Amino acid sequence: SQKIEQNSEALNIQEGKTATLTCNYTNYSPAYLQWYRQDPGRGPVFLLLIRENEKEKRKERLKVTFDTTLKQSLFHITASQPADSATYLCALSRGSTLGRLYFGRGTQLTVWP
Amino acid sequence: GAGVSQTPSNKVTEKGKYVELRCDPISGHTALYWYRQSLGQGPEFLIYFQGTGAADDSGLPNDRFFAVRPEGSVSTLKIQRTERGDSAVYLCASSPGQGDQFFGPGTRLTVL
Repeated sequence: SQKIEQNSEALNIQEGKTATLTCNYTNYSPAYLQWYRQDPGRGPVFLLLIRENEKEKRKERLKVTFDTTLKQSLFHITASQPADSATYLCALSRGSTLGRLYFGRGTQLTVWP
Repeated sequence: GAGVSQTPSNKVTEKGKYVELRCDPISGHTALYWYRQSLGQGPEFLIYFQGTGAADDSGLPNDRFFAVRPEGSVSTLKIQRTERGDSAVYLCASSPGQGDQFFGPGTRLTVL
């Protein structure tokens, strides 16, 4: 079965710095990989999707990289703000864009002023 | 526009009882998913519908769990003979088919 590891349970950084979160996976190579944000008591919110043939994707202050050789994705938040504090989930899909997602357990990011 | 809604937001039941959890997806989304999430864990897949039919139910843990989507819109997750281990947040998501999934706020189920 697919195993997904996110680098740490918690990451604390100072406002203005770049947060870097890691997602490693084993076994199957995913067709695409997604990152979600989850706030306490709420459902996950989609942030970015990157396909297996893409190396990098950007959206405003967010950047995702995807290295299928290393079986790793990095998620960066530049110029971090306290409002970025949340849990960030990595999710993989093996096949079509309609298939199930395999989620990691998440990394809790805290950005302090 | 309206997002995915789930009712009830909280459900407390006793061991052995039957519960139904409802999901209203975003209008026009043909794909609907159920996940459950335990504290400190990521969402765990249960079942996925494409239209009215279950396209993948491999995540249902046992035959006490069942889900329907009779008209291709609203879905109900049904749990029979609930056990304490069923306590979790049950999340519903819908998708227009581009990969991204839109999640509801979840139903927190507590089995006493």
